[in-house]
Amino acid sequence: SAVISQKPSRDICQRGTSLTIQCQVDSQVTMMFWYRQQPGQSLTLIATANQGSEATYESGFVIDKFPISRPNLTFSTLTVSNMSPEDSSIYLCSVEWVRTQETQYFGPGTRLLVL
Amino acid sequence: QKEVEQDPGPLSVPEGAIVSLNCTYSNSAFQYFMWYRQYSRKGPELLMYTYSSGNKEDGRFTAQVDKSSKYISLFIRDSQPSDSATYLCAMTRGSTLGRLYFGRGTQLTVWP
Repeated sequence: SAVISQKPSRDICQRGTSLTIQCQVDSQVTMMFWYRQQPGQSLTLIATANQGSEATYESGFVIDKFPISRPNLTFSTLTVSNMSPEDSSIYLCSVEWVRTQETQYFGPGTRLLVL
Repeated sequence: QKEVEQDPGPLSVPEGAIVSLNCTYSNSAFQYFMWYRQYSRKGPELLMYTYSSGNKEDGRFTAQVDKSSKYISLFIRDSQPSDSATYLCAMTRGSTLGRLYFGRGTQLTVWP
């Protein structure tokens, strides 16, 4: 099966700063997604990362706060901008292949703590 | 009302027990149903995937979907301490948008 990696695995950041999280897959994928997992909450979809075009954001998430890039079929980044303690969470990328449509596979996650 | 409801537990059982994990949902358009297992400090790992109603078995794991009741279950037979994890149900309509709707997860501990 394909390997999905994320960098960094964890970070502690100061309020007001920004952090860029990378997601790398070792094979080309159809779709890439970014989720947030807050303690005791469901995984919440932030956006769909579209290759070569702007990401599609879910209700409650905006590009200024969570800019996303996807320059090719194996790589995407999520930036958490102007962070506050409320952004402390686990951020997960997931991927979907044509052959596994409607099924997503997740990376290991990035644990973010904002002080 | 949340689209997917899942009792967060925690659930604690002895080794060898049969474990039953459940989710209910409100959207009758959901057709694809998944169970993920998430170990502490790891990403969710796909465990079972089913389409529409019925049962699916894989080793000690059985997934059941009852669309008429909007109810899905995951059974674990002969549970092992290595099964201790959080189990997340997820489902989707099957559109190309690819959005999955998740339950909150049930934390399971299997003690030896």
